[in-house]
Amino acid sequence: SAVISQKPSRDICQRGTSLTIQCQVDSQVTMMFWYRQQPGQSLTLIATANQGSEATYESGFVIDKFPISRPNLTFSTLTVSNMSPEDSSIYLCSARAQGATGELFFGEGSRLTVL
Amino acid sequence: GENVEQHPSTLSVQEGDSAVIKCTYSDSASNYFPWYKQELGKGPQLIIDIRSNVGEKKDQRIAVTLNKTAKHFSLHITETQPEDSAVYFCAASMVGNYGGSQGNLIFGKGTKLSVKP
Repeated sequence: SAVISQKPSRDICQRGTSLTIQCQVDSQVTMMFWYRQQPGQSLTLIATANQGSEATYESGFVIDKFPISRPNLTFSTLTVSNMSPEDSSIYLCSARAQGATGELFFGEGSRLTVL
Repeated sequence: GENVEQHPSTLSVQEGDSAVIKCTYSDSASNYFPWYKQELGKGPQLIIDIRSNVGEKKDQRIAVTLNKTAKHFSLHITETQPEDSAVYFCAASMVGNYGGSQGNLIFGKGTKLSVKP
């Protein structure tokens, strides 16, 4: 399994500001993903973080709002830009280990509250 | 694309009883079905998974069954304990035979399980 660390674990942000969430995995992984979990809801995939290239975004999510970086195999960042109260959610980093056949592991999440 | 339906949304059982959570999926190409447990304030934790080449898998008090024809799979927890209380998510995706993964995990809406002592 992979151990995934995220920071910050939680933050309170002002409307219009941006926040970057960092995700560090303890081993090299093939794929990294970012999910959003709105209060009491299920997990929705935002994008796949590709090493050294632009992320692949799901329908309804765009790079200008959620820029993502992945400079190496073990680290990725997600920025939530120009935040509004509707962006208040838990943002989860996840990863699939090298050689794994499907297993996806999650970080503890970053709980953002936008005032 | 894939769509995963999960029932019930809430489930309350007495300690020691069994709990069953059911999911259906729409894409017949899906072949990997994990279950996650999410405790309050934590990220989802993989507890068991099943692939389409088997019909059932057990791990101590937890079992998962898969019916490919009907496109549904279920999580069974026996002898429930208060620490089983959490939100459980099912998911589905298509995994490549060589060990890679083409499909993203599509999650159900979750089941909040409460085990009363």
